[in-house]
Amino acid sequence: QQQVKQSPQSLIVQKGGISIINCAYENTAFDYFPWYQQFPGKGPALLIAIRPDVSEKKEGRFTISFNKSAKQFSLHIMDSQPGDSATYFCAAKGNFGNEKLTFGTGTRLTIIP
Amino acid sequence: EAEVAQSPRYKITEKSQAVAFWCDPISGHATLYWYRQILGQGPELLVQFQDESVVDDSQLPKDRFSAERLKGVDSTLKIQPAELGDSAMYLCASSQDRVETQYFGPGTRLLVL
Repeated sequence: QQQVKQSPQSLIVQKGGISIINCAYENTAFDYFPWYQQFPGKGPALLIAIRPDVSEKKEGRFTISFNKSAKQFSLHIMDSQPGDSATYFCAAKGNFGNEKLTFGTGTRLTIIP
Repeated sequence: EAEVAQSPRYKITEKSQAVAFWCDPISGHATLYWYRQILGQGPELLVQFQDESVVDDSQLPKDRFSAERLKGVDSTLKIQPAELGDSAMYLCASSQDRVETQYFGPGTRLLVL
């Protein structure tokens, strides 16, 4: 059962534009929502994470928007750069006793000049 | 900066053979995870260790997969016998006790022929 749905599967954005990736979850017990960035041949690296008690978190050009009632969260990359071209995964983790990360299916982002 | 080490980086084997992957987590990280990532999908947890104890192996195909972390430091994941469907990236991650952030290694890419 896929508990975290991610879209789109692939995304092409012009340099300087805004990249937006969306995720939806089903399990209301999830309480930690990270985004990971993965380059080809590398393991995923944590980019930014949010808890459901806040609606937005910003770190540099990366922002997570969180809608608890809709059970949705999204990653916004402002001023997208070619170096941002990678695969992005959203994930969700439950609280104590259900701590494994459940990942989305990934979005392949390509930033074109 | 401390990193999770994995070896080998690539492994080609024939079906029915045995394969083993090794992971050395970041020093001091009590929790160690093995994930399997099929091409085009997000990582899926196979097994989670807390020190030397298995916390979650519900998704580990125990008829052919085994994992151990004997001294609570490095870990080995074994597949015997390998099947064609086992071709994937095997990722190891570690985290500090009670801290959500998971740090991933570069992975071992397995190809079963």
